[in-house]
Amino acid sequence: SQQGEEDPQALSIQEGENATMNCSYKTSINNLQWYRQNSGRGLVHLILIRSNEREKHSGRLRVTLDTSKKSSSLLITASRAADTASYFCATAKVNTGFQKLVFGTGTRLLVSP
Amino acid sequence: EAGVTQFPSHSVIEKGQTVTLRCDPISGHDNLYWYRRVMGKEIKFLLHFVKESKQDESGMPNNRFLAERTGGTYSTLKVQPAELEDSGVYFCASSAPGTGFLSSGANVLTFGAGSRLTVL
Repeated sequence: SQQGEEDPQALSIQEGENATMNCSYKTSINNLQWYRQNSGRGLVHLILIRSNEREKHSGRLRVTLDTSKKSSSLLITASRAADTASYFCATAKVNTGFQKLVFGTGTRLLVSP
Repeated sequence: EAGVTQFPSHSVIEKGQTVTLRCDPISGHDNLYWYRRVMGKEIKFLLHFVKESKQDESGMPNNRFLAERTGGTYSTLKVQPAELEDSGVYFCASSAPGTGFLSSGANVLTFGAGSRLTVL
């Protein structure tokens, strides 16, 4: 079964607006990471939040984690056209000796000028 | 420092043919991963090498897929014979030694640009 599921599947906003993407997962995790993929490129790591953290900031990014609800959200403030990309959450599972990152289907974000 | 490089960037083959994808991880990265994304679906884990050893190959679809990492440097993923459902983008990623253990903290991956495979 799929571990991470992002919501919405697609999001279209104007420059300057905020974009919020959500991720739900099923099993206990060690940490949760968000990655971005620009078309034709590889995934780029954005931010990591550990299971004992509730909120984390990095520049215009804000990530929250609610382990009781098994969900996370990624907020991009004051979006720019360059933020147009697909965003994936990845969860590191707890019950294996090595961390295996499990990705979801992603949210496609389109930021129009 | 050079990133993770993958070759070819795009391969178009006919059903039944063989394709070999190559990944060169960041130098010194012991952990190497293969993932695959089929159109619109999740990025699915295929397998994980630690140096030359297969740590976890639970995501490999079937025995038509063979991954190797001779000498613990670059890795190849061979699909033989290819089927239509093998089409997708194959991503390789690597991470530094000592990461990836639950006790060592986070495992942040550096990805290559992917190899797009189209099977006709």
